[in-house]
Amino acid sequence: QSVLTQPPSVSAAPGQKVTISCSGSSSNIGNNYVSWYQHLPGAAPKLLLYDWNKRPSGIPDRFSGSKSGTSATLDITGLQTGDEADYYCGTWDSGLSAWVFGGGTKLTVL
Amino acid sequence: QVQLQESGPGLVKPSQTLSLTCTVSGGSISSAEKYWSWIRQHPGKGLEWIGYTYYRGRSYYSPPLKSRVNISVDTSKNQFSLELSSVTAADTAVYYCAGYDSSGYEVDCWGQGTLVTVSS
Repeated sequence: QSVLTQPPSVSAAPGQKVTISCSGSSSNIGNNYVSWYQHLPGAAPKLLLYDWNKRPSGIPDRFSGSKSGTSATLDITGLQTGDEADYYCGTWDSGLSAWVFGGGTKLTVL
Repeated sequence: QVQLQESGPGLVKPSQTLSLTCTVSGGSISSAEKYWSWIRQHPGKGLEWIGYTYYRGRSYYSPPLKSRVNISVDTSKNQFSLELSSVTAADTAVYYCAGYDSSGYEVDCWGQGTLVTVSS
């Protein structure tokens, strides 16, 4: 059971928008920065967003993030078939003194 | 751009110690101002954080693994290592070495991952 809760799967058609949620608590998301990762099959995970909503160089603005209370959200607009991957949120948990990942969300582009 | 590459045995016997090394290229491990980390993924499962260490400071480990894990840095070889003792089949996973930004809030570089199987 992950400390951060994500939906196991989401799906949408090409060109549409999808939202992936990440729910935690005051000891993690509520008081620490969240980052998001894209994990394509057979590849290393890739940093998508950090500090809630900042994009590293090379990440398109189709990917955006936000926070509300103890939850974080990843939005992907203009879905492409190449976006099919597993997506993970992660943050520091001050109570555990440990980094925690969400359980991951499998995105299917129909 | 820092690049990471894991190396080590792909097969470890139960009760033995799993040892992996990550070679850092494209920068000095001691000047990169990063937290050096190991993360794993069990077959068909999500990412699991093992721990991280700062090259000249504290180490933090996942509470369930803390009693069995050690992450160390060798600045002379520009490498960092993972030791996981008393392994069982439940430790079979793809192991990634990774580097966190100096803030410790995001993983901004990853190795390609290496599969380690625990079996007799």
